[in-house]
Amino acid sequence: DAMVIQNPRYQVTQFGKPVTLSCSQTLNHNVMYWYQQKSSQAPKLLFHYYDKDFNNEADTPDNFQSRRPNTSFCFLDIRSPGLGDAAMYLCATSTGKRQLAKNIQYFGAGTRLSVL
Amino acid sequence: AQTVTQSQPEMSVQEAETVTLSCTYDTSESDYYLFWYKQPPSRQMILVIRQEAYKQQNATENRFSVNFQKAAKSFSLKISDSQLGDAAMYFCAYTPGDYGGSQGNLIFGKGTKLSVKP
Repeated sequence: DAMVIQNPRYQVTQFGKPVTLSCSQTLNHNVMYWYQQKSSQAPKLLFHYYDKDFNNEADTPDNFQSRRPNTSFCFLDIRSPGLGDAAMYLCATSTGKRQLAKNIQYFGAGTRLSVL
Repeated sequence: AQTVTQSQPEMSVQEAETVTLSCTYDTSESDYYLFWYKQPPSRQMILVIRQEAYKQQNATENRFSVNFQKAAKSFSLKISDSQLGDAAMYFCAYTPGDYGGSQGNLIFGKGTKLSVKP
């Protein structure tokens, strides 16, 4: 059974048109992450939530925002997508508790975003 | 800043043979974790193996084992008896042990694309 679910798997949007990507988890983990992975590159962390505490990476553009309405769901909002934002977006979770976590992150299958 | 380097963009192995993927990292921390993640084409990333820096014994998981050389900051992955299903992108990743306020954020290498020939 899928534990970290990302919807949709493929998303097409127009240049400048806001888009929202969704992630849900059944693991009851405290921490949820969003990564951007461009073609043939390593995933790059955009931000993460520890419970309701939002932590933005210093080099994440303001165009990217996130919401976490409850433990299970986290959203990635791209306010005005540019051509350079076309990528795979990965959601991941971890317990956030060192004794239990062993620092393991569990990934969703990703959403591939195309910008026309 | 911590960095992870994978010097082999692509590797190829014959089915049933053994292959080793290289990874080096740079950190001033003494407590950290290292991982190998596998990302098959169009499928989700999954954890292959994990190593705690304070453990001298190399981690093993079935056909997968690591050679962890802490002083040399090297963390290679050995895949024995390679199978067609092992074909994927493999990422080496690092995270600080005390989270450092970053909640265990993973720092990835650029990946090694492994092909398995029948």
